[in-house]
Amino acid sequence: EAGVAQSPRYKIIEKRQSVAFWCNPISGHATLYWYQQILGQGPKLLIQFQNNGVVDDSQLPKDRFSAERLKGVDSTLKIQPAKLEDSAVYLCASSPGWRNTIYFGEGSWLTVV
Amino acid sequence: EDQVTQSPEALRLQEGESSSLNCSYTVSGLRGLFWYRQDPGKGPEFLFTLYSAGEEKEKERLKATLTKKESFLHITAPKPEDSATYLCAVQALAGANNLFFGTGTRLTVIP
Repeated sequence: EAGVAQSPRYKIIEKRQSVAFWCNPISGHATLYWYQQILGQGPKLLIQFQNNGVVDDSQLPKDRFSAERLKGVDSTLKIQPAKLEDSAVYLCASSPGWRNTIYFGEGSWLTVV
Repeated sequence: EDQVTQSPEALRLQEGESSSLNCSYTVSGLRGLFWYRQDPGKGPEFLFTLYSAGEEKEKERLKATLTKKESFLHITAPKPEDSATYLCAVQALAGANNLFFGTGTRLTVIP
């Protein structure tokens, strides 16, 4: 079974530029998550979708971050404009439903210079 | 507020030298406690879920246990390929289904 797919794997941008990350969850998984992991820390939830609806976006910096999940499958996370402190790994994850194990992708590494 | 504290931050073991990693937690109603392994440059890989105090789960050289306040990940006779960061996370009964992570224990097993 294919895992959670993410792209791009690596991105370097200048501050104030924009960037977008794409995620394709495990087939059939209704719940999709975006986590941010800063070096040396554990992952922190940014946003959670159930199908194509937002369940929790309380930790998403909405002045610069946005995310969507069209048709309840793929998802895109956008940052505009980027700040130096946004340098991190952006992990997409999915689970079959509301109370199931969460599986992670390989992550998208962002460096803002 | 949910809180997860992992110790030690880093651990160096000789191959074959058994040890334990600790995860202490505070959560208003625990649905599950999760252990993940993370290799450098990779996403977290699921290891175990524990749901109630007294529960134990094993996989190869790893055994996870759970009490009402903490979880232990016991590593028996580790090998160099067990070197990784081990993350502990809690999932609360109430609210959204997300995971609240600790900062991890970075394990190095020396041949």
